[in-house]
Amino acid sequence: GEDVEQSLFLSVREGDSSVINCTYTDSSSTYLYWYKQEPGAGLQLLTYIFSNMDMKQDQRLTVLLNIKAKHLSLRIADTQTGDSAIYFCEERSKGSGNTGKLIFGQGTTLQVKP
Amino acid sequence: EPEVTQTPSHQVTQMGQEVILRCVPISNHLYFYWYRQILGQKVEFLVSFYNNEISEKSEIFDDQFSVERPDGSNFTLKIRSTKLEDSAMYFCASSDLRGGYNEQFFGPGTRLTVL
Repeated sequence: GEDVEQSLFLSVREGDSSVINCTYTDSSSTYLYWYKQEPGAGLQLLTYIFSNMDMKQDQRLTVLLNIKAKHLSLRIADTQTGDSAIYFCEERSKGSGNTGKLIFGQGTTLQVKP
Repeated sequence: EPEVTQTPSHQVTQMGQEVILRCVPISNHLYFYWYRQILGQKVEFLVSFYNNEISEKSEIFDDQFSVERPDGSNFTLKIRSTKLEDSAMYFCASSDLRGGYNEQFFGPGTRLTVL
């Protein structure tokens, strides 16, 4: 079945760039998403990329997709303490998209030190 | 801005008891979902619900679980005879479209602790 893997923890200093990585197995993935979960809150959609793109930039966020390697990354420029959260990668294939069933990674905890 | 709400935020129960987790989806949404996240593990899909019926369920969603939309606003997840391994964070989500790029809006979750 589909699987999504992420590293569990990343620690950076304020002002540095953060890069959170994700790998997935489903070769029919059509959309890939990044969510942010702050303490006590639900998952908030941050950004997404279609499988026919290799890069998408949205202010401080850059999503890179290597579809051959099935590797997705989220780069946060000038990381701030408010970026401290858990970041989830999610992939959606044609099959899961039709049912709304989302496949998540286990989440990467980003710790930003002042 | 409309949001999905969930109650309670934390539920503690004894093994074998029944619990009902409640969600109020965004009012004009038609598709509803439950997910769970056991501590340190992935967010797992449980069930999707549309038009008063289950659209899809995972292998986790066995006879112990049921969902209901008892009125026009609430969406509930009932867990009968809870087990220790049911301890997890349960997230409700809703969307107004199914398939393709359909943003699911998530609630803050209910932390269920089974003792």
